[in-house]
Amino acid sequence: DAMVIQNPRYQVTQFGKPVTLSCSQTLNHNVMYWYQQKSSQAPKLLFHYYDKDFNNEADTPDNFQSRRPNTSFCFLDIRSPGLGDAAMYLCATSRDGGREGQPQHFGDGTRLSIL
Amino acid sequence: LAKTTQPISMDSYEGQEVNITCSHNNIATNDYITWYQQFPSQGPRFIIQGYKTKVTNEVASLFIPADRKSSTLSLPRVSLSDTAVYYCLVSMNTGFQKLVFGTGTRLLVSP
Repeated sequence: DAMVIQNPRYQVTQFGKPVTLSCSQTLNHNVMYWYQQKSSQAPKLLFHYYDKDFNNEADTPDNFQSRRPNTSFCFLDIRSPGLGDAAMYLCATSRDGGREGQPQHFGDGTRLSIL
Repeated sequence: LAKTTQPISMDSYEGQEVNITCSHNNIATNDYITWYQQFPSQGPRFIIQGYKTKVTNEVASLFIPADRKSSTLSLPRVSLSDTAVYYCLVSMNTGFQKLVFGTGTRLLVSP
């Protein structure tokens, strides 16, 4: 089945040690998103790629960056993780910005722990 | 983007119909309403979407009154597996869609 796949499901890293989370999709959607979801909170958009164009949310810390080498893959890089970055990171895709009839499709997330 | 307000939590029993109402007083003419469901340790999953009146699919119905200032997600005959958080979102039907999740409603279905 076509889907959004996030690897790994669980990631542990050390305080300050760079970490990369990955997302792949078989839906051939042109928009890919990264969300951060902390415990008992709603998902919060960090940034998205519309085709090759990167769009950062105004309040996303500089510590978070992203790469999209091709349509199918997108990476979330956290340069120097702090304890406050422990969260579930969700990748999502949509076709053409997700207008009516084109909802976002989410992966099951990567839960990041910081030691 | 219109702000949405939902109950923080709801309780129900298996076999009952559950109605979750979302308030979106500032909804604009071009906005539409979407509901997502999220289970623990999973990503949100699209349930249903609508602009006005009533929309029904295989899992839920969405009722939107004429003034569109609220909407109600109706889950018929819930089961234990419907225990989840349900998010109501309002998005524009033009240009790029940014999803802004509200607090959601935590539904607990008991035996």
